[in-house]
Amino acid sequence: NAGVTQTPKFRILKIGQSMTLQCAQDMNHNYMYWYRQDPGMGLKLIYYSVGAGITDKGEVPNGYNVSRSTTEDFPLRLELAAPSQTSVYFCASRGAGGYEQYFGPGTRLTVT
Amino acid sequence: GDSVTQMEGPVTLSEEAFLTINCTYTATGYPSLFWYVQYPGEGLQLLLKATKADDKGSNKGFEATYRKETTSFHLEKGSVQVSDSAVYFCALSVNAGGTSYGKLTFGQGTILTVHP
Repeated sequence: NAGVTQTPKFRILKIGQSMTLQCAQDMNHNYMYWYRQDPGMGLKLIYYSVGAGITDKGEVPNGYNVSRSTTEDFPLRLELAAPSQTSVYFCASRGAGGYEQYFGPGTRLTVT
Repeated sequence: GDSVTQMEGPVTLSEEAFLTINCTYTATGYPSLFWYVQYPGEGLQLLLKATKADDKGSNKGFEATYRKETTSFHLEKGSVQVSDSAVYFCALSVNAGGTSYGKLTFGQGTILTVHP
């Protein structure tokens, strides 16, 4: 199994540009999450989803949007990129009945 | 709100030294506790977990005991190896009537470097 996959691995954006970070999982997990990791900090939850068609905000949702049209995919959209969104972004998924989350390899985003 | 506090880092050790990384938490409800590890250039991997008080999680020689009385979940290993060099994150997830949706609250991470 591929587990949780993320694309791209790296991206440089100019201020004001937009982009979508892709995340997919092949474990049929209901729950999916987007985190950002800033240097020297723990991970902060951006958005999460409990199933197709259902999403909700986490701790730091401003400047981001998500959608969940299928169980497998959970893309994260950045509108009007700002330098404060320079970070490493991780997608994770979890099956029902447990708390273990499985993480993707991350996307390193730089906004200049 | 829920929070996790890890010991200040980074931690530098020689191979075969004893490792302790402290972790304390505050939480509403009944948390499950986790240690995740992040190797250079990779995503996080679950290292071990404990879901109720007095449980001991263990994996790859690492151990941590869920201490409700001291709200702690310290990570220990008796003899570290160079390959243990990584960032270690303590985290919790609260079972609060289903409303938390299993969200993880992370500590800030501790960088461990092990020298030969």
